[in-house]
Amino acid sequence: DTGVSQDPRHKITKRGQNVTFRCDPISEHNRLYWYRQTLGQGPEFLTYFQNEAQLEKSRLLSDRFSAERPKGSFSTLEIQRTEQGDSAMYLCASSFGGAVDTEAFFGQGTRLTVV
Amino acid sequence: KQEVTQIPAALSVPEGENLVLNCSFTDSAIYNLQWFRQDPGKGLTSLLLIQSSQREQTSGRLNASLDKSSGRSTLYIAASQPGDSATYLCAPWDSSASKIIFGSGTRLSIRP
Repeated sequence: DTGVSQDPRHKITKRGQNVTFRCDPISEHNRLYWYRQTLGQGPEFLTYFQNEAQLEKSRLLSDRFSAERPKGSFSTLEIQRTEQGDSAMYLCASSFGGAVDTEAFFGQGTRLTVV
Repeated sequence: KQEVTQIPAALSVPEGENLVLNCSFTDSAIYNLQWFRQDPGKGLTSLLLIQSSQREQTSGRLNASLDKSSGRSTLYIAASQPGDSATYLCAPWDSSASKIIFGSGTRLSIRP
């Protein structure tokens, strides 16, 4: 396994369009996280899944955002009616939850630019 | 709500120096703590994991310490090299291990 994989790496879209990002976690990891990072800031938590269940959502995740992890493996993050303020790096991470040595591993991110 | 502060925000030193990056967090009830490295425009690379029962962890030229009761962690980098130039992020896990919270990072530049 080569780690957490995200696709696409870069996305440019026009304001008002919908976009969808994909994350493939490390195969044995049962937890998957989405974060958003803007320039000069640390990543901000958006949501996390344990297996297929979405257990927590940040208030940053407005109604235009939806995340799924249908079979407890890969996850998708969809943004509807994109706005310029959605421009950011979207990061996915995975971990094996419940272990005393729980450690998160991140993907390379998807850079979204809304024009 | 957990808040993480990293000091300094930016640091520029000549090659070969030993340096210390500081991290403080407001809620001491953390699960574990990770230090990450981020190169410009890239994802995060996990450098060190300190479990809540541990006081420090070492990997090569890196040593991280954790004092949960005072809400502090430090990352020590020995014999710095230009390739160490990156942003370093401190990230404690919340007490239920459901998510990690990040500071804004320390942007490190090592001059040849």
